[in-house]
Amino acid sequence: EVQLLESGGGLVEPGGSLRLSCAASGFSFDIYDMNWVRQAPGKGLEWVSAIDYSGGNTYYADSVRGRFTISRDNPRNTLFLQMDSLRAEDTAIYYCAKKAVTVIGNYFDSWGRGTLVTVSS
Amino acid sequence: IVLTQSPGTLSLSPGERATLSCRASQSVRSNYLAWYQQRPGQTPRLLIYAASSRATGIPDRFSGSGSGTDFALTISRLEPEDFAVYYCQQYGGPPWTFGQGTKVEIK
Repeated sequence: EVQLLESGGGLVEPGGSLRLSCAASGFSFDIYDMNWVRQAPGKGLEWVSAIDYSGGNTYYADSVRGRFTISRDNPRNTLFLQMDSLRAEDTAIYYCAKKAVTVIGNYFDSWGRGTLVTVSS
Repeated sequence: IVLTQSPGTLSLSPGERATLSCRASQSVRSNYLAWYQQRPGQTPRLLIYAASSRATGIPDRFSGSGSGTDFALTISRLEPEDFAVYYCQQYGGPPWTFGQGTKVEIK
């Protein structure tokens, strides 16, 4: 059974930093692209960032490019999101999401339960 | 690609048919469109990919259709557990984008 467990969320002041982690199990982590998707309180889903299976290619939404960095540690089956220069509008639940297939098509068949990031002074 | 879902809220009774729309601002490459269900307090669940293919374990009352810029999710007979928010997502990107969601509520 696929399991994704996020951690690292919390309360941070504007301009601050946080590092999110996602521990993966139940599948071959090192052959799947991975993603972060966020959901502001009471709002819809927003794709944030993706990384390919090897870590060699990364992608970002315009809203976070230059402030967030996605990475992965395949031997430790862990995905990361380094978030710098945080803004109030980054407040959201951050989900780790697994790409459903190993071929073309970045849609998501497994999601973690999410970790809440609150940016406020 | 911007995805616009309509209506924002759909008020229906159990047993009724629900039709949700997702319109793209430009043609979605190879009909790379997925649908997700999110029940209150739960994480999203993949329902449909490639516009019309059901994901593993999804009941056949859920069906997807469409191509190009116009897509639809149909729930043939609403069950109590189907009252939720539904999102479309295009994966012809990057970037990969979601619609703003349609809430299906009990009338």
